[in-house]
Amino acid sequence: NAGVTQTPKFRVLKTGQSMTLLCAQDMNHEYMYWYRQDPGMGLRLIHYSVGEGTTAKGEVPDGYNVSRLKKQNFLLGLESAAPSQTSVYFCASSLWGGGNQPQHFGDGTRLSIL
Amino acid sequence: GQQVMQIPQYQHVQEGEDFTTYCNSSTTLSNIQWYKQRPGGHPVFLIQLVKSGEVKKQKRLTFQFGEAKKNSSLHITATQTTDVGTYFCAGRGAGTASKLTFGTGTRLQVTL
Repeated sequence: NAGVTQTPKFRVLKTGQSMTLLCAQDMNHEYMYWYRQDPGMGLRLIHYSVGEGTTAKGEVPDGYNVSRLKKQNFLLGLESAAPSQTSVYFCASSLWGGGNQPQHFGDGTRLSIL
Repeated sequence: GQQVMQIPQYQHVQEGEDFTTYCNSSTTLSNIQWYKQRPGGHPVFLIQLVKSGEVKKQKRLTFQFGEAKKNSSLHITATQTTDVGTYFCAGRGAGTASKLTFGTGTRLQVTL
């Protein structure tokens, strides 16, 4: 099993460009999450999904959109990239939600906005 | 909103010394999880605590959940270089569904 797979692993964008980060899981998990990790700030939740076709806002949703058209995939979009969105992005999944299930993380996407 | 703070932010120990990181929440938690992230890696789930005053051990690691369910600690006995990484706690507030709030993390450096 691959677990949680994120693509791409690295990307450099110019301010104003758009892009989509892809996350795929093969564990048949219901819940999926997108986090960003910045130095000294831990992991902050951007958006999450409690099942196919559903999405919800997390702690820092502004400037991002998500979609979960298929259960195994969770896409994170940056509409118009800004330097403040330079970060490491992690996707995670869990069997169920409620915050009492272990979350399984992908390897991350390192994104730089110039 | 719920805030979860960890102290210290960084600790450097010599191999064989003990290490403790503390996690404090602004609100009562239903449960707390601990994760380890190796340098350049992704967070990996270690353990979950649910009950007030709960203590769990994994080899040299001891996890505690406070009586008031607002704080937790991770203690490593006799650190090894393989313990290097950042340790995160993550708590779910009482009555909050679906998502955890991650702490700020403690980065541990171990040298010979």
